[in-house]
Amino acid sequence: GAGVSQSPRYKVAKRGQDVALRCDPISGHVSLFWYQQALGQGPEFLTYFQNEAQLDKSGLPSDRFFAERPEGSVSTLKIQRTQQEDSAVYLCASSSPRQRNTEAFFGQGTRLTVV
Amino acid sequence: GNSVTQMEGPVTLSEEAFLTINCTYTATGYPSLFWYVQYPGEGLQLLLKATKADDKGSNKGFEATYRKETTSFHLEKGSVQVSDSAVYFCALLSTGRRALTFGSGTRLQVQP
Repeated sequence: GAGVSQSPRYKVAKRGQDVALRCDPISGHVSLFWYQQALGQGPEFLTYFQNEAQLDKSGLPSDRFFAERPEGSVSTLKIQRTQQEDSAVYLCASSSPRQRNTEAFFGQGTRLTVV
Repeated sequence: GNSVTQMEGPVTLSEEAFLTINCTYTATGYPSLFWYVQYPGEGLQLLLKATKADDKGSNKGFEATYRKETTSFHLEKGSVQVSDSAVYFCALLSTGRRALTFGSGTRLQVQP
C-alpha cells in the first residue's frame, strides 16, 4: 500500500477484555515498530521487529502486552485483560533498514479507550 | 538514559510571525536528531533531520541546527502560515538503537 495502515482506528474495550491491534507496514519495509502515545505526550517505544524477529521488546509495559509478526509483514499488538491505564493511541511505524537513520513512516494509529 | 525536552505549548502566533520551538536532549554517543509533525487527523510525518553536529536540517521553510555544545535542536521558521498549525515532536535516535525517543510535543496554533 501507499502508507502504513492500522486498524481499527478506534477501539473501546471494557476493562478485562483482550484486544488485538493490526498494522500493515509499507510493502518491502522489514523494520516495524510499535509505540504507545498517551494523551498529551510523545510516543513511547514498545517493541521492534526486523522481518519476523522481535529484536527488542524492552518497552512493553507488562506481560499483558504481546506483539507478533509471523510472516515478516503484518503485525499484531495484543493486550490481554485491558486496564484503564492502557488507554492511549498505539502507533505503528515501518522503515527500510538499509540505513540506520532512514525515515520511519507512521500510521495514523489506533485510539484505545478502556472503560 | 536518553531523553528529549521540548518547550510546553500551546504556542499561539499570528500568521507571518517568527517561530522558535526549543528542544534539548540527553543522550550517550552521537545521536541523530529529528523533528516530526502531526497535522490534525493525520499520522506523524518526518519534517527534517540532522545526523551530526553542526548539520542543519531544513524542509518547507523550517530549519533546525544540531548543536552538540548546547545539546539542542531548536526548530525555527521565519514566517508561519495557518497551515503550519500542528503538533511538533522533537526526537532522537541514539547510537546502537533502532527506535526513536520523542519529546512530549508542542502544539502550534497559527491565527490568520
